[in-house]
Amino acid sequence: GNSVTQMEGPVTLSEEAFLTINCTYTATGYPSLFWYVQYPGEGLQLLLKATKADDKGSNKGFEATYRKETTSFHLEKGSVQVSDSAVYFCALIETQGGSEKLVFGKGTKLTVNP
Amino acid sequence: DAGVTQSPTHLIKTRGQHVTLRCSPISGHKSVSWYQQVLGQGPQFIFQYYEKEERGRGNFPDRFSARQFPNYSSELNVNALLLGDSALYLCASSKTGWGEKLFFGSGTQLSVL
Repeated sequence: GNSVTQMEGPVTLSEEAFLTINCTYTATGYPSLFWYVQYPGEGLQLLLKATKADDKGSNKGFEATYRKETTSFHLEKGSVQVSDSAVYFCALIETQGGSEKLVFGKGTKLTVNP
Repeated sequence: DAGVTQSPTHLIKTRGQHVTLRCSPISGHKSVSWYQQVLGQGPQFIFQYYEKEERGRGNFPDRFSARQFPNYSSELNVNALLLGDSALYLCASSKTGWGEKLFFGSGTQLSVL
């Protein structure tokens, strides 16, 4: 089946540092790809998405580009803030029969120190 | 507008017991999905419902069941609880459950002792 692999965490950065969280996927075809963020005590929020190869998703200074050659969707931000501290999940959409589900990576915990 | 609401927020049960978790989707959303998030792991798909019909089921034992009501709210039931069922259970809703953004609730934290 389809799967998503994320870089192991936790990741600790200082404020204004550059962030990269690696994500690679294994899938049949070219599924839509997502990054979700989970702040402490909250549910998942969609951060950004890309629906086809070479698409770039972006939101709140975060970016990720759908690379089919390397089957990757790495998350980047040029200058992180303390408020970006959260767990980040890479995911893809898998369809089977009439259902649609998200397949998630294990998550990467980011801590940004002032 | 209210987001996806789940109840209870936290729950403690003992092995062998039964539990019911509840979810109210965003108004106008007809599809509800359930995910299990074990500590340190990503969420795993359990069920998807649309218009009261089960549309999809993940790789979970028959101890897990769910239903969706005419008002589109949903219940997740787990029988004969095991220690390994301890997890955060997330509910997500969307208008049709197909090709759309999912909106997640804050989850129910279930602890099985």
